[in-house]
Amino acid sequence: DQQVKQNSPSLSVQEGRISILNCDYTNSMFDYFLWYKKYPAEGPTFLISISSIKDKNEDGRFTVFLNKSAKHLSLHIVPSQPGDSAVYFCAAAAVNTGGFKTIFGAGTRLFVKA
Amino acid sequence: EAEVAQSPRYKITEKSQAVAFWCDPISGHATLYWYRQILGQGPELLVQFQDESVVDDSQLPKDRFSAERLKGVDSTLKIQPAELGDSAMYLCASSFLGRQETQYFGPGTRLLVL
Repeated sequence: DQQVKQNSPSLSVQEGRISILNCDYTNSMFDYFLWYKKYPAEGPTFLISISSIKDKNEDGRFTVFLNKSAKHLSLHIVPSQPGDSAVYFCAAAAVNTGGFKTIFGAGTRLFVKA
Repeated sequence: EAEVAQSPRYKITEKSQAVAFWCDPISGHATLYWYRQILGQGPELLVQFQDESVVDDSQLPKDRFSAERLKGVDSTLKIQPAELGDSAMYLCASSFLGRQETQYFGPGTRLLVL
């Protein structure tokens, strides 16, 4: 039972254009949604998050949009740069007894072509 | 910048052998997580600690896996005996008590069971 789904295994974008990565979830009880970026041979690094009570959060070139009615979120990267080429994981976090339990999607590999 | 440390980075073992992984979280981070990431999938939580206490080990195969964080700082994950299906990346992450939705990952230990 995949609670967090990233249906596109890969995405290719030209440098300078917008990259849009999508994510769907099934559990309406999640409190936070996050995006992590992962380069080869490294662990995932936190990129941006959004609380379930908001619909948009922006940080520089990165914006996350949340559509609760559709149980869908997206990450926009504008403008895309070659250094953005990585695997992007969507994640959803819900409160548990020890803090938060986080569920990750399978990831989308982004290729930004120069 | 403080980082999560993990060792070893790579481990090759034969099935039925015992293996152990070590993690040192960022200083001051009370919550520690062990994840398993199979190729092509997102990280899956194995066990979550709050200080020295286990708060979630529902996905830990307890017949062969064990984890401890005796002094509430560094942690060890053990597999005994290892099976072929255990080949994966084992990631450790930690989070600050006031921002538990955001996790900081180590570089991981890549395990290959032959």
